[in-house]
Amino acid sequence: DTAVSQTPKYLVTQMGNDKSIKCEQNLGHDTMYWYKQDSKKFLKIMFSYNNKELIINETVPNRFSPKSPDKAHLNLHINSLELGDSAVYFCASRTSGGTDTQYFGPGTRLTVL
Amino acid sequence: AQTVTQSQPEMSVQEAETVTLSCTYDTSESDYYLFWYKQPPSRQMILVIRQEAYKQQNATENRFSVNFQKAAKSFSLKISDSQLGDAAMYFCAYRPPGGYNKLIFGAGTRLAVHP
Repeated sequence: DTAVSQTPKYLVTQMGNDKSIKCEQNLGHDTMYWYKQDSKKFLKIMFSYNNKELIINETVPNRFSPKSPDKAHLNLHINSLELGDSAVYFCASRTSGGTDTQYFGPGTRLTVL
Repeated sequence: AQTVTQSQPEMSVQEAETVTLSCTYDTSESDYYLFWYKQPPSRQMILVIRQEAYKQQNATENRFSVNFQKAAKSFSLKISDSQLGDAAMYFCAYRPPGGYNKLIFGAGTRLAVHP
């Protein structure tokens, strides 16, 4: 059983397009995250939601809009894609209390041409 | 600002040997968590080991252990009896107290394992 899943795994698109990445977790966690890994492998937090509420927004351009329809899902919509948006985007989830461990999805490699 | 530094961009080890990956971090907090994550070529982020700052005992998970030096703000990962499957990027991560638990990552160390 997949714990944290992301779709699609690969996304190739043209500059200026709008695209979405979906994330779902079946762990019963109430906090979810989006991280961006750039071409140099550096990972940085973008957003976090707790029980469908935005709790972290790390100075990400407003072309990026996360949406959490329920606490098992956190989607990332990106408008007007730019070349610099090319990266691997990871979703992660964690339960409040407990082990404080974040579990990551397989990542979505976004390539903007 | 809280930062995590991994000073070794690349390391290599012979199969069955031991290797240590370095990590230092900067914080003024006393209660926090530290993690090592492994990212193989499949790019999946896999938790290797975690350490609570309030615990003096170093964490151990099978062939993986840490040397946690709180005063020195150092958190190194030791891999014993290295295996070919250990080849991957290794990321050190710091989780501050509160703050909704975001992880702050180091730049990573690429580990090669030679047969």
